[in-house]
Amino acid sequence: AQKITQTQPGMFVQEKEAVTLDCTYDTSDPSYGLFWYKQPSSGEMIFLIYQGSYDQQNATEGRYSLNFQKARKSANLVISASQLGDSAMYFCAMRGRGSQGNLIFGKGTKLSVKP
Amino acid sequence: NAGVTQTPKFRILKIGQSMTLQCAQDMNHNYMYWYRQDPGMGLKLIYYSVGAGITDKGEVPNGYNVSRSTTEDFPLRLELAAPSQTSVYFCASRTWGTGGYTFGSGTRLTVV
Repeated sequence: AQKITQTQPGMFVQEKEAVTLDCTYDTSDPSYGLFWYKQPSSGEMIFLIYQGSYDQQNATEGRYSLNFQKARKSANLVISASQLGDSAMYFCAMRGRGSQGNLIFGKGTKLSVKP
Repeated sequence: NAGVTQTPKFRILKIGQSMTLQCAQDMNHNYMYWYRQDPGMGLKLIYYSVGAGITDKGEVPNGYNVSRSTTEDFPLRLELAAPSQTSVYFCASRTWGTGGYTFGSGTRLTVV
């Protein structure tokens, strides 16, 4: 079965420092996509970054990068130069198999940025 | 603005009541999804649709129904509301292939 595991329920980081949020996944499909979303206290889901299973390079979007280690089935999110506005829940997700292509989510990590 | 629009944003239901959560997108996306998010958890798939007239169950469909008569609209119907359906509901859509997902702003439902 396909599964996303986020083992860090909560993380603290000092403002301006970098932080890594862990995500491991389980799938037998050779083709898959991995996503990270941010959910601030206001509740909306904000797309951050995407990594395809065949992408050779790690994805980057501004201060966000995805450390993709295919053999270890991990897709960790790295946030550089943390800002107070980065305090939020972060969800790792994988596009599911089959025609429906729904997202399968982990339980999330709550990141708190300290001034 | 283009995107996914969900209404209402908040709703309180009494046990046994029914209601419809509305979801509309104006991006001509084929795929649409309904998720629920329980406190402290990730999102779980309730129902999905791959196009007008085609719907199917997700991981947690019990107590819900959907329809997709047009490409734009994908309403979620709750019949006989129960406290276990207290949750935040998200609608999402995407286009063909590896297109990204667009989420609505969510509906916070409380059943008392």
